Amino acid sequence: DGGITQSPKYLFRKEGQNVTLSCEQNLNHDAMYWYRQDPGQGLRLIYYSQIVNDFQKGDIAEGYSVSREKKESFPLTVTSAQKNPTAFYLCASSMGQADTEAFFGQGTRLTVV
Amino acid sequence: EDQVTQSPEALRLQEGESSSLNCSYTVSGLRGLFWYRQDPGKGPEFLFTLYSAGEEKEKERLKATLTKKESFLHITAPKPEDSATYLCAVRHVGGYNKLIFGAGTRLAVHP
Repeated sequence: DGGITQSPKYLFRKEGQNVTLSCEQNLNHDAMYWYRQDPGQGLRLIYYSQIVNDFQKGDIAEGYSVSREKKESFPLTVTSAQKNPTAFYLCASSMGQADTEAFFGQGTRLTVV
Repeated sequence: EDQVTQSPEALRLQEGESSSLNCSYTVSGLRGLFWYRQDPGKGPEFLFTLYSAGEEKEKERLKATLTKKESFLHITAPKPEDSATYLCAVRHVGGYNKLIFGAGTRLAVHP
């Protein structure tokens, strides 16, 4: 089945640590995205990538980093510089044209302990 | 400033009681309006895309409509399994594929 796989489903981070969230898609989509969701708020864009080896900052990129070395993969690193990392993180992909829908993974819930 | 506002924040319905959810937007040059359904602890599930004023899409008990300033998600004779958060998002000209989301409407349908 085609889709987007995020792992792990739950992740616990100690303060000061960097952690990496995985996102893999087999939909042959060019564009990939990372969103953050907090209770009572809409999804906010962290980073997006239109094509391999290229990515742009979204609205809340501070404290996060990404790479796009393969079309299928778009990992997100939450660094120790992110002051409030506890949230639900969602990865998405789309065909790349501006008028096409995006499809989401099942999310990773990150908690700082 | 580009903005998407959904109302109400929460809606409680009895099974079979039809209603509508609202999504109003202010963007420069709409390239598409998208509706998603999200269950607790899960990723959003795509429902509909609307591109131009007057367009309508239907799926089972759901019907989405679009005007120049807002979209409605009409739910006809809802069932408890329709309980979820419904999210609206837009893409606009010059937005580099970026989706702008509203905060969502939490729908609870009681038997």
